Amino acid sequence: DTEVTQTPKHLVMGMTNKKSLKCEQHMGHRAMYWYKQKAKKPPELMFVYSYEKLSINESVPSRFSPECPNSSLLNLHLHALQPEDSALYLCASSQEGQGYQPQHFGDGTRLSIL
Amino acid sequence: QKEVEQNSGPLSVPEGAIASLNCTYSDRGSQSFFWYRQYSGKSPELIMFIYSNGDKEDGRFTAQLNKASQYVSLLIRDSQPSDSATYLCAAPNTGGFKTIFGAGTRLFVKA
Repeated sequence: DTEVTQTPKHLVMGMTNKKSLKCEQHMGHRAMYWYKQKAKKPPELMFVYSYEKLSINESVPSRFSPECPNSSLLNLHLHALQPEDSALYLCASSQEGQGYQPQHFGDGTRLSIL
Repeated sequence: QKEVEQNSGPLSVPEGAIASLNCTYSDRGSQSFFWYRQYSGKSPELIMFIYSNGDKEDGRFTAQLNKASQYVSLLIRDSQPSDSATYLCAAPNTGGFKTIFGAGTRLFVKA
């Protein structure tokens, strides 16, 4: 059983749609992450929140907008996405927002852009 | 030079054999290293982490860290077909602000 829960598991959207990905962790962690993963590639970091504040934005296009309502919740708002944005989107959490902490991943949302 | 490097494989071993997965890193100051297992179509799962030189064992898995040579390895004893997956090595970047993943090694265990 994963302690990081992502919804929805699958999402198909058109390029003009607005949708949101949601993530919730029940591990008491203070850092949460969004990753994008393409097939046969490692996860690619997008955003890091530490103590509910955005600490890292890896130069992600503005059509991706993260939000951290509290330390347990993380959202990723999507708008005007491109076909190349189709990927597996992974949420993760760790005790603190630093690279020497192990991260725990949710099951991911598989996103397809038509 | 990439910060974390792995041989992408595939690595093929027979059932019951020892699978040896290797990873090198460039930052001598790195203090912690992680191994994640990822089944096809699934998310990465943390299986081992190691902070100190030497070996760390957990069931059939052993992580080995050699800071002088800047490599970390994962040994899987008595490999099973269910171990077939991609194994991702990860370490902090220079400065320790985020985790860098290697490209992953695909492992196939043949029954």
